[in-house]
Amino acid sequence: NAGVMQNPRHLVRRRGQEARLRCSPMKGHSHVYWYRQLPEEGLKFMVYLQKENIIDESGMPKERFSAEFPKEGPSILRIQQVVRGDSAAYFCASSRTGGGKNIQYFGAGTRLSVL
Amino acid sequence: SQELEQSPQSLIVQEGKNLTINCTSSKTLYGLYWYKQKYGEGLIFLMMLQKGGEEKSHEKITAKLDEKKQQSSLHITASQPSHAGIYLCGADSNSGYALNFGKGTSLLVTP
Repeated sequence: NAGVMQNPRHLVRRRGQEARLRCSPMKGHSHVYWYRQLPEEGLKFMVYLQKENIIDESGMPKERFSAEFPKEGPSILRIQQVVRGDSAAYFCASSRTGGGKNIQYFGAGTRLSVL
Repeated sequence: SQELEQSPQSLIVQEGKNLTINCTSSKTLYGLYWYKQKYGEGLIFLMMLQKGGEEKSHEKITAKLDEKKQQSSLHITASQPSHAGIYLCGADSNSGYALNFGKGTSLLVTP
């Protein structure tokens, strides 16, 4: 039973380019979460999605960032016109159900470097 | 918003020694999760604690939840090099969806 799969593991972009991060949840999981880990900081929640719905995007920057979880295929976190401050590790997690007291299983992360 | 403070920030212990990591919340804890992160990798789920006084063990790792103190502790008995990594505590947020995390405790086990 494969775990949460993220790709790419490492992504290098120049300032102004777009970054697309993909996440396939664990089999049987329909709830996806994205977190960002900045250097010297803890993991911060960005967005929570179910299939075709954004449930909570309170942690997502208002501009340049978007997320989707289509009916078919992986969840995508998209960052437009990247800046150096976007350099971070982005983690995806999934759970079988939503709400509290549900274990979130994490992927290995995508490490984004903006030159 | 809830803040989780972990102590110590880093820890170096000799193989075979016991150690304890603490996680203190600024607000009531409803669900508390412990994860381990190996350097440059993802988070591995260790344990979830839901009720005050609850204690869980997995191999040589034991976690406890003290609801009154809004605190959880993670205890490793007879540490091994394989225990090295960053230990993160997470807690259910008010929204019920997101997890709030502490900044982590970095553990190094020397031979």
